[in-house]
Amino acid sequence: DAGVIQSPRHEVTEMGQEVTLRCKPISGHNSLFWYRQTMMRGLELLIYFNNNVPIDDSGMPEDRFSAKMPNASFSTLKIQPSEPRDSAVYFCASSLGDWDIQYFGAGTRLSVL
Amino acid sequence: SQQGEEDPQALSIQEGENATMNCSYKTSINNLQWYRQNSGRGLVHLILIRSNEREKHSGRLRVTLDTSKKSSSLLITASRAADTASYFCATLGGDQAGTALIFGKGTTLSVSS
Repeated sequence: DAGVIQSPRHEVTEMGQEVTLRCKPISGHNSLFWYRQTMMRGLELLIYFNNNVPIDDSGMPEDRFSAKMPNASFSTLKIQPSEPRDSAVYFCASSLGDWDIQYFGAGTRLSVL
Repeated sequence: SQQGEEDPQALSIQEGENATMNCSYKTSINNLQWYRQNSGRGLVHLILIRSNEREKHSGRLRVTLDTSKKSSSLLITASRAADTASYFCATLGGDQAGTALIFGKGTTLSVSS
């Protein structure tokens, strides 16, 4: 298995632009997680899905952030409009269940200028 | 909110020495997991210890769990330069369905040759 695949690996955009991050979880995993990592705040859970249904989105910082999981093999995290303080590394992870070992993607490094 | 707190924040040792990292948490847990993150990469799962276990080994890794003190330790024996990375503990709440792993801020380990 190729593991969790995230795209793009790097994204540079200007303030106010829409940003879409993509994630393909490991086949057969039914839980998917989006995290944000910064030096100041560490690794923060933004939202997680179980069987494509959002279970907990309390970590989503603002209405500018939205996430979808239209099917078991694809998820997106969208920021609209983006702001410089959104600059961070965004990770997607998947697991067999929300109580199990998580497998992380390589991350998307987002820079908002 | 972050549950696990690693200590120390940073650790520098020589190759061949042992490295010990500690994690404290606040509420009851189902399990506790340790992950490693190499610079610029995603997190990789190392070991999972359940709340009814006290010690687990995996190769050069030894994890202990003391639920009465709400703490865990990760010991890496005979460290190597390749062990240089950040190490995170993550806890899974024991009393709520639909919870997810909560990560600490990590310990940065530097092993010099």
